Amino acid sequence: GDSVTQMEGPVTLSEEAFLTINCTYTATGYPSLFWYVQYPGEGLQLLLKATKADDKGSNKGFEATYRKETTSFHLEKGSVQVSDSAVYFCALRLTQGGSEKLVFGKGTKLTVNP
Amino acid sequence: DTGVSQDPRHKITKRGQNVTFRCDPISEHNRLYWYRQTLGQGPEFLTYFQNEAQLEKSRLLSDRFSAERPKGSFSTLEIQRTEQGDSAMYLCASSLAPSGENTEAFFGQGTRLTVV
Repeated sequence: GDSVTQMEGPVTLSEEAFLTINCTYTATGYPSLFWYVQYPGEGLQLLLKATKADDKGSNKGFEATYRKETTSFHLEKGSVQVSDSAVYFCALRLTQGGSEKLVFGKGTKLTVNP
Repeated sequence: DTGVSQDPRHKITKRGQNVTFRCDPISEHNRLYWYRQTLGQGPEFLTYFQNEAQLEKSRLLSDRFSAERPKGSFSTLEIQRTEQGDSAMYLCASSLAPSGENTEAFFGQGTRLTVV
């Protein structure tokens, strides 16, 4: 079935370090891909998205490129801040066959220390 | 519009009791979704509505779970005869159909259920 695999956490970085969170997916069709972020005590928020191969989503300094050949959507940020501490979820959405659900990875907790 | 609203935010119940949660989506959104999130896991899809029609249900949604969206606006999720395994965060999301490049699901803050 459709699934998303994220790198295991937690990830702890110092401020201004480079961040990569790996995400790969398995899907029977052509999904849209998303990164959601969950800050402490808050709900899930969409961070960025890409709807077709080779698209790059970007927001708040984060980027991810939809790589169909490697079925990946890795999240990167060049210089993290303490305020980026949160749990990050990779997700896919298939809309073929009438299904509209998001399929999430398990999440990666990021802690950024000053 | 303040986004997707869920009520209550927290619920503690005794095993065997029934509970009901409410979700108010963003007003112009015609799609509404329920997800369940347990500790250390990502959200898992339970069901979704387009307007008042329930279009898909996960195998996770046992017979003890029922969801409604009677007027195509707010939705309720009821769990009957709660079990300790039902303890989780129940998330509601809404979006505007049809899906496309500029549609996304907006999530509420969730209802945390603890079954004791």
